[in-house]
Amino acid sequence: DTGVSQNPRHKITKRGQNVTFRCDPISEHNRLYWYRQTLGQGPEFLTYFQNEAQLEKSRLLSDRFSAERPKGSFSTLEIQRTEQGDSAMYLCASSFPGQTSNTGELFFGEGSRLTVL
Amino acid sequence: LAKTTQPISMDSYEGQEVNITCSHNNIATNDYITWYQQFPSQGPRFIIQGYKTKVTNEVASLFIPADRKSSTLSLPRVSLSDTAVYYCLVGDLSNFGNEKLTFGTGTRLTIIP
Repeated sequence: DTGVSQNPRHKITKRGQNVTFRCDPISEHNRLYWYRQTLGQGPEFLTYFQNEAQLEKSRLLSDRFSAERPKGSFSTLEIQRTEQGDSAMYLCASSFPGQTSNTGELFFGEGSRLTVL
Repeated sequence: LAKTTQPISMDSYEGQEVNITCSHNNIATNDYITWYQQFPSQGPRFIIQGYKTKVTNEVASLFIPADRKSSTLSLPRVSLSDTAVYYCLVGDLSNFGNEKLTFGTGTRLTIIP
C-alpha cells in the first residue's frame, strides 16, 4: 500500500500523559499536513511542512502540541500533558504540488483517534 | 479564503441522482472549487475539482454557473456506499499548500435502500 500511513490508529490515554502520532506520507510527496477532526465537524488545519520545514501553524496548535518532520519524510505530532479536549481524530495528509497537472489534491491517511480519559 | 455554505444533511434513495449545492459568494478570480468525500473513521478523499462550467469524471459531475458563486456536485445513480459526508472547498490552486485548506461542516448524505 503506497498511501498515507498513520500510527497508531487508536490511542487511549489518561489526562496529563504525553502521546505521539506518526505519519508516513506518500513517498514522493514533499508537503505534509496535520488536521484535527472532532465529531460532527470538518477537519481543522493544524500545521503543514514542505520537506522538513514547518511553514505554518494554526493558533489551534497550542504550546502543548509539537510537530516535526526531521528528514522531510515521516512526521510526528506530539501532544504533551493531554487534556480531555484533545480527544479527536488526528489526520495526516500529503501532497505534491510540483506536478504540472496538480489539482492541489490532499491524500489523507485513515487518522489516529485519540481518547483522553 | 472564500467561505462556503452547504446543506447540513440530505437523504436520497438508491438509484437516484443526488445534487449537493455549495454557495461561495465571495469566490476570488483565481479560486478553484474542490469537493472531498469522507466515510466514517477515514480521511477525506478527493472527488472532483473545477473552475467554471462543467467537469465530469468517473465518479461525479461538477456544475459551476457563470458567476461562480455556487457549485453543484452531482452523483449519478447513488448506492448505499455513497453514504458519506461531502465537503466543498474553495481556494487558489496556485496557492494550495501555502494556505490552509478549510473544511466546513460538510453535507451528510444518507442513501436509503
